[in-house]
Amino acid sequence: EAGVAQSPRYKIIEKRQSVAFWCNPISGHATLYWYQQILGQGPKLLIQFQNNGVVDDSQLPKDRFSAERLKGVDSTLKIQPAKLEDSAVYLCASSLARLAANEQFFGPGTRLTVL
Amino acid sequence: GENVEQHPSTLSVQEGDSAVIKCTYSDSASNYFPWYKQELGKRPQLIIDIRSNVGEKKDQRIAVTLNKTAKHFSLHITETQPEDSAVYFCAASMNTGFQKLVFGTGTRLLVSP
Repeated sequence: EAGVAQSPRYKIIEKRQSVAFWCNPISGHATLYWYQQILGQGPKLLIQFQNNGVVDDSQLPKDRFSAERLKGVDSTLKIQPAKLEDSAVYLCASSLARLAANEQFFGPGTRLTVL
Repeated sequence: GENVEQHPSTLSVQEGDSAVIKCTYSDSASNYFPWYKQELGKRPQLIIDIRSNVGEKKDQRIAVTLNKTAKHFSLHITETQPEDSAVYFCAASMNTGFQKLVFGTGTRLLVSP
């Protein structure tokens, strides 16, 4: 089966600019996650969707980050305006169901550099 | 909230040796503990996981042990090979109606031939 797809793979922007990332989860996976992975650290959950509804966005900096998952499939994550500290890899993951003990499958990530 | 600590941050071994990576978690309600391997520039991939009703799980050269009382779990890799070189992340999750993984800071494992 096809894995989680993300685009773009790399993005370089200047601070205060806007950027958007796209994710297409594995077909049939109801749960979608966006993680931020800063160099040398583990992934940190930003937001979690169950179908097209948000179930956890407690760690999303809502003054600048937004995300949506229209029709419960693809998702976009936006940063506006970007700051230097947003430089990181943004990983999308999906899982079959929302319950615990379900494997999360990760996409290749988008590496964002903010200058 | 949950906090996961992971040690060591780097681990160098000779090919054929064993490697052990340890993690501790703070929330006793956590009940799912996966381990992910991330090669340089690649996506994290699940290599093994354990649930709180099991004390140990093994899959060929890798095994995970869980001590719920002490709130720690460990990854054991035996007969290490150069292709085991990667960053390994532990994670913990509670079942609060949905899964929320909290990751450790990672261990960079280097296996020298």
